[in-house]
Amino acid sequence: GENVGLHLPTLSVQEGDNSIINCAYSNSASDYFIWYKQESGKGPQFIIDIRSNMDKRQGQRVTVLLNKTVKHLSLQIAATQPGDSAVYFCAESGGAAGNKLTFGGGTRVLVKP
Amino acid sequence: DAGITQSPRHKVTETGTPVTLRCHQTENHRYMYWYRQDPGHGLRLIHYSYGVKDTDKGEVSDGYSVSRSKTEDFLLTLESATSSQTSVYFCAISDTGGTGNTIYFGEGSWLTVV
Repeated sequence: GENVGLHLPTLSVQEGDNSIINCAYSNSASDYFIWYKQESGKGPQFIIDIRSNMDKRQGQRVTVLLNKTVKHLSLQIAATQPGDSAVYFCAESGGAAGNKLTFGGGTRVLVKP
Repeated sequence: DAGITQSPRHKVTETGTPVTLRCHQTENHRYMYWYRQDPGHGLRLIHYSYGVKDTDKGEVSDGYSVSRSKTEDFLLTLESATSSQTSVYFCAISDTGGTGNTIYFGEGSWLTVV
């Protein structure tokens, strides 16, 4: 996984606005990507996934975009709600690593009322 | 919570003592994993299992051993706990091992080694 500083990048967003969380991955052989949400004191919770043969996938209020050319992944949350406040992690797998996940460092999302 | 129960949820232990964390799943998934989560390092894989009595090392396996005698249980043992093993430990499961199979996490076990 990536080593990042002790302080997570933080995204502050107004309630009702859309949020965009970005993630850069390093392994060009990765072919499966997941976004997890982690609330304080809890385990990572699956949000949405995407395979490398797709560039966009939509769920309920969430959309994941994959740009394999620049190895970039993003999570868009529509109409952000207070319950969306959490740390969000991207994870990748595939290639020589098989299904073992490599996690990004995470982004903290704070929703302001 | 994908039918995953971790125990204990919180533990304080002394340096040099053995510690065992238990993960129990009710999903009958073949693959089980132990991760640790630390500030500055995110989630890192310690060990994983791809079947009963079949285990392999992850990226941070030193100081840890695992056992899986039943499909539903995966144990993580710290033979002689050190302060560097103070962390939050997460168990995870997946149905198969191929890429593209979602991995679901338990609620975590907070371990403090003093």
